[in-house]
Amino acid sequence: DVKVTQSSRYLVKRTGEKVFLECVQDMDHENMFWYRQDPGLGLRLIYFSYDVKMKEKGDIPEGYSVSREKKERFSLILESASTNQTSMYLCASSLTSGRNHNEQFFGPGTRLTVL
Amino acid sequence: GQNIDQPTEMTATEGAIVQINCTYQTSGFNGLFWYQQHAGEAPTFLSYNVLDGLEEKGRFSSFLSRSKGYSYLLLKELQMKDSASYLCAGYSGAGSYQLTFGKGTKLSVIP
Repeated sequence: DVKVTQSSRYLVKRTGEKVFLECVQDMDHENMFWYRQDPGLGLRLIYFSYDVKMKEKGDIPEGYSVSREKKERFSLILESASTNQTSMYLCASSLTSGRNHNEQFFGPGTRLTVL
Repeated sequence: GQNIDQPTEMTATEGAIVQINCTYQTSGFNGLFWYQQHAGEAPTFLSYNVLDGLEEKGRFSSFLSRSKGYSYLLLKELQMKDSASYLCAGYSGAGSYQLTFGKGTKLSVIP
């Protein structure tokens, strides 16, 4: 069964803290994505990666960085958390080729609250 | 990226049929996804249309008109468990693996 897991379902951090959100997929997918989802704004792409050690900025990369040292793992880093980064964070992965190759499989999400 | 538009909210009655529309820019378009997302959960895949026409999958069908930049998701025999947000997402292709998501349509099914 296809599986994308995220390290935490709920996280509470303080302003200024460094925050790591981890995502792991077991489907050997090349592509991995980080989104945030806010009411009325929908899913917005933060960063994505096509391959190990590769990363590309999405629509809202400011205040975030990412790391992809292994194919199965994609980490989102908030260098200095701020209250406007309180959100639901969703990780997804997809294949590069094959049937429905751009179907994205999502993890369960991490609801981050920054106080 | 693409502009994806869909209604914010819809309400329908249990047992009825509902159609959720989605419009998008046709330039740079290569396919359209529909996802279902229950409150507090991750989006899950419903359908993917590349060619014009209707694709049926049980109670759910998805339609695409590439020339009009228009898609809809049709849900038949509505059940209470169909209350969820439905996300329309466009794929541009051309070496890009990103999807551009609409803001989602929150469907409430009432008895």
